[in-house]
Amino acid sequence: DQQVKQNSPSLSVQEGRISILNCDYTNSMFDYFLWYKKYPAEGPTFLISISSIKDKNEDGRFTVFLNKSAKHLSLHIVPSQPGDSAVYFCAANSGAGSYQLTFGKGTKLSVIP
Amino acid sequence: EPEVTQTPSHQVTQMGQEVILRCVPISNHLYFYWYRQILGQKVEFLVSFYNNEISEKSEIFDDQFSVERPDGSNFTLKIRSTKLEDSAMYFCASSGQLLINYGYTFGSGTRLTVV
Repeated sequence: DQQVKQNSPSLSVQEGRISILNCDYTNSMFDYFLWYKKYPAEGPTFLISISSIKDKNEDGRFTVFLNKSAKHLSLHIVPSQPGDSAVYFCAANSGAGSYQLTFGKGTKLSVIP
Repeated sequence: EPEVTQTPSHQVTQMGQEVILRCVPISNHLYFYWYRQILGQKVEFLVSFYNNEISEKSEIFDDQFSVERPDGSNFTLKIRSTKLEDSAMYFCASSGQLLINYGYTFGSGTRLTVV
């Protein structure tokens, strides 16, 4: 039962270029989407989020795009830096009083200097 | 920056034994959670806790699991009789009310190994 899917287990990008991480979801009840970054031996760290009433949210080098009709979201990192190398998780929440997050399996991003 | 603290970082236990995983959430947060990640798999929700009671739980969180906030600062997860398949990284997290703006703050996790 994969309600949140990250189909690329890994991605390599040259430093300075754009990293695009993709996420698809199946549950139309999801109302909020979040991206987390995780380094080894650490817990996930919140990066950026978007509500389903928006199609874009930007925070510095990070932008999340949401396409509700396609049930697809993406995280853009530009420019990519070596310190961005980590596992990125997409997560979704249905709102309506629930604080539960449903996570994807993650995409390991490697930014090559 | 405020942190969620988890202890121990690694726990090895024999099958059938009880374990208690401990967490100190961020002091002004109101919601507390446990998640787990089995090696190579996704992070899975176990339980959320608000106002001294469980607000949501997943199918994973069966009668073998329990949570408690024994005092004003600690939040614990107890597994009564551990199984091999309970081996995983267990993450505690906490949040204020604005989930969409701030997400959760996760701890660094406790790696539980059941032998």
